Amino acid sequence: RKEVEQDPGPFNVPEGATVAFNCTYSNSASQSFFWYRQDCRKEPKLLMSVYSSGNEDGRFTAQLNRASQYISLLIRDSKLSDSATYLCVVNQNTGNQFYFGTGTSLTVIP
Amino acid sequence: ETGVTQTPRHLVMGMTNKKSLKCEQHLGHNAMYWYKQSAKKPLELMFVYSLEERVENNSVPSRFSPECPNSSHLFLHLHTLQPEDSALYLCASSQDLAGATLGKNIQYFGAGTRLSVL
Repeated sequence: RKEVEQDPGPFNVPEGATVAFNCTYSNSASQSFFWYRQDCRKEPKLLMSVYSSGNEDGRFTAQLNRASQYISLLIRDSKLSDSATYLCVVNQNTGNQFYFGTGTSLTVIP
Repeated sequence: ETGVTQTPRHLVMGMTNKKSLKCEQHLGHNAMYWYKQSAKKPLELMFVYSLEERVENNSVPSRFSPECPNSSHLFLHLHTLQPEDSALYLCASSQDLAGATLGKNIQYFGAGTRLSVL
């Protein structure tokens, strides 16, 4: 089983739409969770950390469900500039590894 | 600008060549990483350094040789590569390692070196 699994998409949504991505992780001992954004042929950039109680940053909301071992990212009022690949990243509380999902591709259409 | 600089940005090399990738971070971080990103695959961790000491080596072929002369610089020396090694090689740094307190383990990536092996 993969450490981190994401639906690769692609998700094609109109401007203004709300879109949600889910990510599941296999290690129940994982403690840190992140969403990164990667534009085409660019490096991944941190979008937001995911806290146990869930957190919001403008149009973006991240949630963590430890019981079901998944994290989610909700994007409201999608903009053209949100088009990118969204990477789910999880660590273990021991060891030195981060595990990345394959990413979910989002295209926001005018 | 993330504070992590990689050179070169693009590299084409033959299978018999020797080349090196360079990464420099200006963030005062203690941990540095090399990742390989191939199409349709998740980022693959290659090496992790903490305070200049290698702490992770994920079964990477010996044709890839890392070097960390100080906490700000990381190199990846390449020799006798294969065409399947063609990929985007990403360097990252974080204040502390993956198991550290949330916030201290956030990774910042360089722009990457796009490598083509002919």
